[in-house]
Amino acid sequence: RKEVEQDPGPFNVPEGATVAFNCTYSNSASQSFFWYRQDCRKEPKLLMSVYSSGNEDGRFTAQLNRASQYISLLIRDSKLSDSATYLCVVNPPVDNRLAFGKGNQVVVIP
Amino acid sequence: GAGVSQSPRYKVAKRGQDVALRCDPISGHVSLFWYQQALGQGPEFLTYFQNEAQLDKSGLPSDRFFAERPEGSVSTLKIQRTQQEDSAVYLCASSLDRVDEQQETQYFGPGTRLLVL
Repeated sequence: RKEVEQDPGPFNVPEGATVAFNCTYSNSASQSFFWYRQDCRKEPKLLMSVYSSGNEDGRFTAQLNRASQYISLLIRDSKLSDSATYLCVVNPPVDNRLAFGKGNQVVVIP
Repeated sequence: GAGVSQSPRYKVAKRGQDVALRCDPISGHVSLFWYQQALGQGPEFLTYFQNEAQLDKSGLPSDRFFAERPEGSVSTLKIQRTQQEDSAVYLCASSLDRVDEQQETQYFGPGTRLLVL
């Protein structure tokens, strides 16, 4: 079983709509969780960290469900500039590396 | 300030050729990571340095892959006798340090896109 599982999509989203997706992780002892954004042919960039209490940054909301071992990202009022791949990222316990999912490809359509 | 830089940005190699990929981390960043990203996949961990010490090389796919960071700053990833399956984007990331149990943010370079023919 892969450490981080994501449904790659693509997710075709009308401009202004809301889109949400999840990822699951295999190691229940993982401590740190992130969403990274990767534009086509660019490097991944940190979008937001994910905290147990859930957190929001503008139109983006991240949630962590430790009991079910999944992380979610919700994007409200989608903009064309939100088109990108969103990578679910987990830091395994007692480890320095990051474990990435395959990414959710989001295409916002005018 | 300056981010992580990598060179070359693109490399085409003939099968069997040796290649060397360079990473310049953000100044003062203690930790340095190498990842490999195949087409349509997320990045996969290769190796990790804390200063000049290579603390984890569990992700290196074979003994043809070798990484070093001799002075605790610039790092080089070397691939010997390249194979077609080595074609991928090689990403370098750096972070300030690991603080207690919290993971410091990793900042990625633009990557080197390697194509082995």
